[in-house]
Amino acid sequence: EDQVTQSPEALRLQEGESSSLNCSYTVSGLRGLFWYRQDPGKGPEFLFTLYSAGEEKEKERLKATLTKKESFLHITAPKPEDSATYLCAVQANRDDKIIFGKGTRLHILP
Amino acid sequence: EAQVTQNPRYLITVTGKKLTVTCSQNMNHEYMSWYRQDPGLGLRQIYYSMNVEVTDKGDVPEGYKVSRKEKRNFPLILESPSPNQTSLYFCASSRVLERPGELFFGEGSRLTVL
Repeated sequence: EDQVTQSPEALRLQEGESSSLNCSYTVSGLRGLFWYRQDPGKGPEFLFTLYSAGEEKEKERLKATLTKKESFLHITAPKPEDSATYLCAVQANRDDKIIFGKGTRLHILP
Repeated sequence: EAQVTQNPRYLITVTGKKLTVTCSQNMNHEYMSWYRQDPGLGLRQIYYSMNVEVTDKGDVPEGYKVSRKEKRNFPLILESPSPNQTSLYFCASSRVLERPGELFFGEGSRLTVL
């Protein structure tokens, strides 16, 4: 069964304190791995797609990386406005379902 | 403006009273999907559609129906709602071939079934 596990569930950081969020997955034949950001009361917002091990994508203070078993979302020198829930999702080659992890709630303290 | 529009945004209903949550997108996307989001359980896929007249079950389809008669619309139907369907519902769409996982989400519909 395809599965996505994110850790930690919640993370509190001081402004400027860099860290990483983890997304480990089990899927037979990965078509793509996706990162989203969700603010309270809003729908998720797409951030990145990663297709193969070794691939990296960057956007402002965020960088996503992918290995054969997990992905990391690195946050460099975060600011309070980076506070949100970050969701990881995968899509397998064999069908068109997109499966989400439970997310990591990130809180950046000023 | 590119968007996914859901209605209603908030609804309180009673057990057994049929309801429909509408979803419309203006981006000519092939792929549309419904998710429910519950505390501690995350986003779970209910149904998805690859194109007009093509629908498939997600992980939690029980108690729900969908239809895709037009490319832009993908309504979610609860024929006989029960309290365990109280949840936050999201509709999403994407361009399948080019960007399969780059979903555009609606603002959500918060449903309470008494």
